[in-house]
This record gives sequence, structure tokens and C-alpha cells, in this order.
Amino acid sequence: DGGITQSPKYLFRKEGQNVTLSCEQNLNHDAMYWYRQDPGQGLRLIYYSQIVNDFQKGDIAEGYSVSREKKESFPLTVTSAQKNPTAFYLCASSGSPGVGGYEQYFGPGTRLTVT
Amino acid sequence: GQSLEQPSEVTAVEGAIVQINCTYQTSGFYGLSWYQQHDGGAPTFLSYNALDGLEETGRFSSFLSRSDSYGYLLLQELQMKDSASYFCAAEGRRALTFGSGTRLQVQP
Repeated sequence: DGGITQSPKYLFRKEGQNVTLSCEQNLNHDAMYWYRQDPGQGLRLIYYSQIVNDFQKGDIAEGYSVSREKKESFPLTVTSAQKNPTAFYLCASSGSPGVGGYEQYFGPGTRLTVT
Repeated sequence: GQSLEQPSEVTAVEGAIVQINCTYQTSGFYGLSWYQQHDGGAPTFLSYNALDGLEETGRFSSFLSRSDSYGYLLLQELQMKDSASYFCAAEGRRALTFGSGTRLQVQP
């Protein structure tokens, strides 16, 4: 079955620690995205990657970092510089970068709590 | 940049029709998508409009007017399982920009 996996589903960390969220897809998609969702809010773009070894900042990239060494994988690191990291993090992929209305497929999300 | 506005909440009864509106402001617009998200779940794609007019997919239809920077999602024959949040998302030069979502509550 093709899809996107994110792990873990729930993650708890102490303030001041970096944490890396995993995102893997086997859909052979070129483009991958990371979003943050706060309660009752929409999705805000953190980073996106249209091709391996290349990625771009989204609207709220400060305090986050990513890598795209493999087509299938797009891990997100939440650093200690992120002032309010507690949120629901969603990874997505799409078949083609850029325009075209290509459907974004979402993983199940990781709920991060930092105390 | 892009910004989208949609109502925060809509309530309707089972079997009814509901329309969720979305207005957008953008510098570079290619099309409007709609996504559904159940509580605690991941968003799932519903529809996409690149051109003006109505797109129909089963019980759901989506409309776009580029001249008015406006679109809507129409849900017919509402079912309890349609209770969820619905997001419009504008496709720009970079990636999607999502609205804040409309929470639809379907009552028996």
C-alpha cells in the first residue's frame, strides 16, 4: 500500500531539546511539505522540497530545519530556537512540484508537546 | 503573499445542503483546492478548481470565480460523517496557502 508515514504519533520533549520528526513516503512523489497546525487553525507551511537535495522556507521556518537526502524522506527538526513548538505537525507529498492542482497526500501527523 | 477567509463554523441538519464560502487575496493564483479534516486526523483532498465554474464530484461540488476571488464548496445530502473541518487552499507560485477552516457540524 502506498502512502505517507509519520512517526511517532505522539512525542513529548523537554524545553531546550531538539527533536526530529520522521516523514517517509513510497508514492514516488517529487514534492514534500511540512505544515504546522495549532488548535482550531489552518495549516501553515514550514518548509517544502520540490526535489532531492533542495528545499525552500515556508511562511514559518524560523526555529525549524529540514533535509532531503532521499526522495522518500523529508525529516523535520524542531530546534530549541522555536519559541512555541507544541503543535500538530503534518507532512504531505504531491506528484509534481509547482502548479497543476496536484493533490497533496498527508501523513497521519505527529502531535508534539514540549514542556 | 496570500490570505484566505472562510466562516469559522457552520451547522446544518442531516439531508440538507450547505455551502462553505472562501474568499482569497493573492499575488499569483493558479487555483483553489478544498480539503476535509476530521478531528485528530489528516486532511484529505476533495476538489480543485483552476477555471471558473462548477466542478462536481458525487455529493460535493466546488465553484470558483476568479474575477471575484471567491469560491465555495457545496455539500449535498448531508450525512453525519460529513461533520469535520473544511479548508480552502489557494495554489500560488510556491505551494498551497490554507484558510483557517470551517467547522461543519451536522445534526440529526
